Amino acid sequence: GENVEQHPSTLSVQEGDSAVIKCTYSDSASNYFPWYKQELGKRPQLIIDIRSNVGEKKDQRIAVTLNKTAKHFSLHITETQPEDSAVYFCAAPTGGGNKLTFGTGTQLKVEL
Amino acid sequence: KAGVTQTPRYLIKTRGQQVTLSCSPISGHRSVSWYQQTPGQGLQFLFEYFSETQRNKGNFPGRFSGRQFSNSRSEMNVSTLELGDSALYLCASSLEHQNTGELFFGEGSRLTVL
Repeated sequence: GENVEQHPSTLSVQEGDSAVIKCTYSDSASNYFPWYKQELGKRPQLIIDIRSNVGEKKDQRIAVTLNKTAKHFSLHITETQPEDSAVYFCAAPTGGGNKLTFGTGTQLKVEL
Repeated sequence: KAGVTQTPRYLIKTRGQQVTLSCSPISGHRSVSWYQQTPGQGLQFLFEYFSETQRNKGNFPGRFSGRQFSNSRSEMNVSTLELGDSALYLCASSLEHQNTGELFFGEGSRLTVL
């Protein structure tokens, strides 16, 4: 079936620490894995994505890793800052077109 | 370039009523998807339209329907509203034909059913 599991549901870190959020997916045909950030009261926005032909992608303080064999991918945020506090969603395509199945979200809180 | 625009932003309805939500995608985007967001369930896919055709449909009852017009604007309709339909309804548009690019979300329409 189409399923994307995301852990943890909440994550609290100290400013400057690293944060890791993990997702697993079930559809072996999935080949595109985006991460969206949703600040309180705002719309979800894409922060990084990875395609199945690479194992890792980095953009400044954020990186995503993909393990297609194990069907899991992770978001890594280094040197966390208060403005990183938000809900983060992983997603994977399930079915044709632009249908994405989202994980249930991780509430990240960066404490001073 | 204007972003994805959803109207209305907030609305309150009572059980049994019906509601229509509107979404104007980014100019040039032909794919429009709808998601329901609730605190407990996260983002649940409703349906996707591309060139006026429904390409995908999520696991929602038939009370949820949608359509897309020739200018790519989309509407979704919920009939016979239930308390559990209270949620933020998000529309997203994409330039890409398949899952190869970014979804651009609107601010959402927050529906409260009393």
